[in-house]
Order: sequence, then C-alpha cells, then structure tokens
Amino acid sequence: DVKVTQSSRYLVKRTGEKVFLECVQDMDHENMFWYRQDPGLGLRLIYFSYDVKMKEKGDIPEGYSVSREKKERFSLILESASTNQTSMYLCASSRFPGLAVYNEQFFGPGTRLTVL
Amino acid sequence: AQKVTQAQTEISVVEKEDVTLDCVYETRDTTYYLFWYKQPPSGELVFLIRRNSFDEQNEISGRYSWNFQKSTSSFNFTITASQVVDSAVYFCALSEAYGNNRLAFGKGNQVVVIP
Repeated sequence: DVKVTQSSRYLVKRTGEKVFLECVQDMDHENMFWYRQDPGLGLRLIYFSYDVKMKEKGDIPEGYSVSREKKERFSLILESASTNQTSMYLCASSRFPGLAVYNEQFFGPGTRLTVL
Repeated sequence: AQKVTQAQTEISVVEKEDVTLDCVYETRDTTYYLFWYKQPPSGELVFLIRRNSFDEQNEISGRYSWNFQKSTSSFNFTITASQVVDSAVYFCALSEAYGNNRLAFGKGNQVVVIP
C-alpha cells in the first residue's frame, strides 16, 4: 500500500512565523505535490517536484517555497506566515508518467494550518 | 489551459437513492486523463477511477459507475443505492498528457446521505 504521511494533522502558528510542513512517501515515487484546499475553491496546486532538487511552481506559489533534498521527502515552507494562509494543506505523490500511462496521485491525510 | 467544472456544490439524498455528480472539462489536448477522488470526513483523498481520453467505455465498480462522453466533454459519476458511508466530498480532476502529472481539480461535490 502506498503511504503518504504528513508531519502534523493540526498546526497553529502566529503571523510572521516560519512554518515547515513535511511530507514523506514510501513508494519511491518521482513526483510530489503540495496543494491547499479552501471551501468553495477546491484544491489548488502550490508547487510540485518531479525529481530530487527539482521544483516547479503551481498555480498559487506566492508566499511559499519548497525543498526536496531526498526523493521520499517534500517540504513546504511558509517563509512568513500570514492569516490568509490558514488552510488545509495536502501532499500527494505519484509515479512519473510512463508511455501512454498516467498515474494517479496518492494523498496524505492533510495538515490543517491556522495562522493567528 | 485545463479546467474542470463541477456545478453542484452540495447534494443531499436519502439513503438508497441514486445520486449523479456532473463533471465537465475543458482541454486543448487530444490526450488527457480524467480522475475521480473521494474525500471522506477524515480528509484524505482516495482515488476512485482513472480514464484516458481514448477510452470512452463506461465503467461500473460495485455501486459506482462512470459515464464518459467526449462529445459533451463530460465524465459523470453515479452512486447507486447510496449509503451513509458515501457521505463525502467528491472531486473530478483532469491531467493533460504533457503536464508532469499535474492535476486540475474541480471544486468538488459535497454529498450528504441522510439515513
């Protein structure tokens, strides 16, 4: 079974703090993703990575950065947390697309972050 | 740019009724993939189905069925004889062939099954 774990289910931080959200997958997947989920907006892609030390901006990268030093770990960093970053953050991983095969993403349980 | 529309936000049904969730997508690619995910109250998204653009066959898996129609750019999902455990948010998603597996999600359908 593919397992994607996230470091915390719930997190409360103060405005201006630096926040690290960690994600680990155990299936040797090449791709990893960070999304945020907000009511009425669905899931929006923040950043993704298709290899170690590689990263690509998603649809809403502003205010975030990422780090992928090891294949199994993908970190989302909020350099200076703000109240509008209060949200549910979901990490996902997938195998790199093969020829004529597109692989589903497997999701972690999510981290509900509150910024006060 | 790819886009997925799920028009109904919340749907309530009485247990044992059928419920259909509509998904309409937009893409310029001829090769693409469509997905449905379920998000129960626990929060973790669970993969339900993948369909590629060359395969228009409908699919049935237990009480779940999917109807893919390229002519109307739709990939609808039906739950037959709904149960309380079906209460969840359901997301439709689209991935274009050359997007590094990026998914564009619809906004989701909240399904509430009333016992």
